[in-house]
Amino acid sequence: EADIYQTPRYLVIGTGKKITLECSQTMGHDKMYWYQQDPGMELHLIHYSYGVNSTEKGDLSSESTVSRIRTEHFPLTLESARPSHTSQYLCASSEQGATGNTIYFGEGSWLTVV
Amino acid sequence: GEDVEQSLFLSVREGDSSVINCTYTDSSSTYLYWYKQEPGAGLQLLTYIFSNMDMKQDQRLTVLLNKKDKHLSLRIADTQTGDSAIYFCAEMAGNQFYFGTGTSLTVIP
Repeated sequence: EADIYQTPRYLVIGTGKKITLECSQTMGHDKMYWYQQDPGMELHLIHYSYGVNSTEKGDLSSESTVSRIRTEHFPLTLESARPSHTSQYLCASSEQGATGNTIYFGEGSWLTVV
Repeated sequence: GEDVEQSLFLSVREGDSSVINCTYTDSSSTYLYWYKQEPGAGLQLLTYIFSNMDMKQDQRLTVLLNKKDKHLSLRIADTQTGDSAIYFCAEMAGNQFYFGTGTSLTVIP
């Protein structure tokens, strides 16, 4: 069972506001990820991290930024939200164990920018 | 990135078997996965298969892997209305994960 938590689950904010989406995992995983997903559509990797103080941009260009100061915490920040940022944001982490390298997802944060 | 392809939609009647198909391009894939996503939620790991296996069975789920054709399938036996969701296949290659576009499964009562 994965222990990865995202807050807020749902958020409606005005254009130009700053927002931080929180993600925490209690599994001690080194790798963490942020994906953006429009409803019923494919996942797009926007950021990932190999560990503390490591952050990388993903395949999809994003105006968001991330930080990784602690292993368990990988927040995503939008400095100035726009309607085009309306989407679901999925945080994930992965382990490398004896039975495989598995990625686990949080429940997602639904962001609506009006 | 790698290409992972899935058909977009599948409809089955309750009680029938569902087969969701996936093709991938990277022959160096080490693990292949199936995830389920219900509306408004994240992706839930259903099962995975190591690339040197042909088949894996877990209760109502059967995963078949044809490595020669780079084809992965998920069979759900006795499909129930609670199985209605989007199913994503994924591969791990070169220490990265690549996801398919998802197949929306609708179960008709």
